[in-house]
This record gives sequence, structure tokens and C-alpha cells, in this order.
Amino acid sequence: AQTVTQSQPEMSVQEAETVTLSCTYDTSESNYYLFWYKQPPSRQMILVIRQEAYKQQNATENRFSVNFQKAAKSFSLKISDSQLGDTAMYFCAFMRGDDKIIFGKGTRLHILP
Amino acid sequence: NAGVTQTPKFRVLKTGQSMTLLCAQDMNHEYMYWYRQDPGMGLRLIHYSVGEGTTAKGEVPDGYNVSRLKKQNFLLGLESAAPSQTSVYFCASSPYTELNTEAFFGQGTRLTVV
Repeated sequence: AQTVTQSQPEMSVQEAETVTLSCTYDTSESNYYLFWYKQPPSRQMILVIRQEAYKQQNATENRFSVNFQKAAKSFSLKISDSQLGDTAMYFCAFMRGDDKIIFGKGTRLHILP
Repeated sequence: NAGVTQTPKFRVLKTGQSMTLLCAQDMNHEYMYWYRQDPGMGLRLIHYSVGEGTTAKGEVPDGYNVSRLKKQNFLLGLESAAPSQTSVYFCASSPYTELNTEAFFGQGTRLTVV
């Protein structure tokens, strides 16, 4: 069974700093997708970034980028120039090619003014 | 531009009562999911569906039943509610194509069982 592990339950960084959230996963599949979702206090789930396993190039979305290490089964999220609005729960998620989406337990990120 | 809509948004049940949570999506998505979110536990998959008329068990299916009679609707039922089912429930849908596998979420339902 696939599993997703986020080893940092909570983190705090100063505004404008760079922060990296860790995620590891376990699978025997070769075709899959990885995601980072953000959940602000409003409770809404928002997709931050997506990575296809067959792509070697790391995905980027403005200030958000990932470090995808397929052999190590690692998928970390880097937030550059962090802003107060980045304060939220961040969930790493895994989806097999034709199956369910599994989430990690989340990392609560605080951006301090 | 509704997306994924969950009904109701809040509910308080007494132990032993039953209820159905409705999830509706207007994006013609094949895949639909029900998750529960508890503090420190992340989102845990209850049941999911990969198409109309199909359902499958997720990580924590006990005490819940689901149905997907129409492609746009995915119902989650609690036959006899227990305090352990107090949680925030999220429905999601996904188109699952090679170009787009993003899951779109509803706004959540906060359920309290007393």
C-alpha cells in the first residue's frame, strides 16, 4: 500500500525567508502523481503544485518549487520569499495512475511578521 | 461556477442517528472521494469512486456507506452515528486525464456526534 510521510508537524519562519517542507512516500509503482495542497484557516483545500513522476524536471509555480527525487522517493516543497498569506496547513499527496489520492498528515506552517 | 458542493456545511447528530452527506460536482469528473480530517491525522480516505455505479473502500471505511448512482453525485451515509465519527468531512473530484489529475475539493462538512 502507498504511504505518504510528512516528518515536520509544525514549522515557523520569518516573513521573506525561504522554507522547505519535507515529504517522502512509498510505492512500487512507476507511474504516479505527487501534489502539495495548502489549507488556510478558511479550511478550503487549494492545489499549490503538481509533479508527474515521469517528468525529470522539477515543477515550479511562482514562489513555489519542488525537489523531486524519484529514486529516494522524496518530494519536498520550497517556498521562497515567504509571505504572511502562506500561513496554512500543507499536505503532500500521492496518486497512482488510476487510483485514489492518499494524503500525508500535514505540516502546519507559520509565517512570522 | 459551482465546482464541488457539499451539503450540509454543519450538522450535529445524536449517537445512533443516521444521516447522508451529499456531494455534487458539475465538472463531469470521473473520480470522486470522501475524506475525513481529524487533528494530527491529515486527510484519511473513507471511500472513493472511479466512475458512475462504482465504489471502493479507502483507509477508514468502517461505519460508512457510499453510493454513486449518478456521475455528478457521491453520497456518504452514516447508518448509526458514533462520537468517533465527529470530524470534518471533505468531498473531492478529479477528472483523471494525463493532462490534469488535480483534485477539486468541496468546502467541507463539520459533523459533531454527541
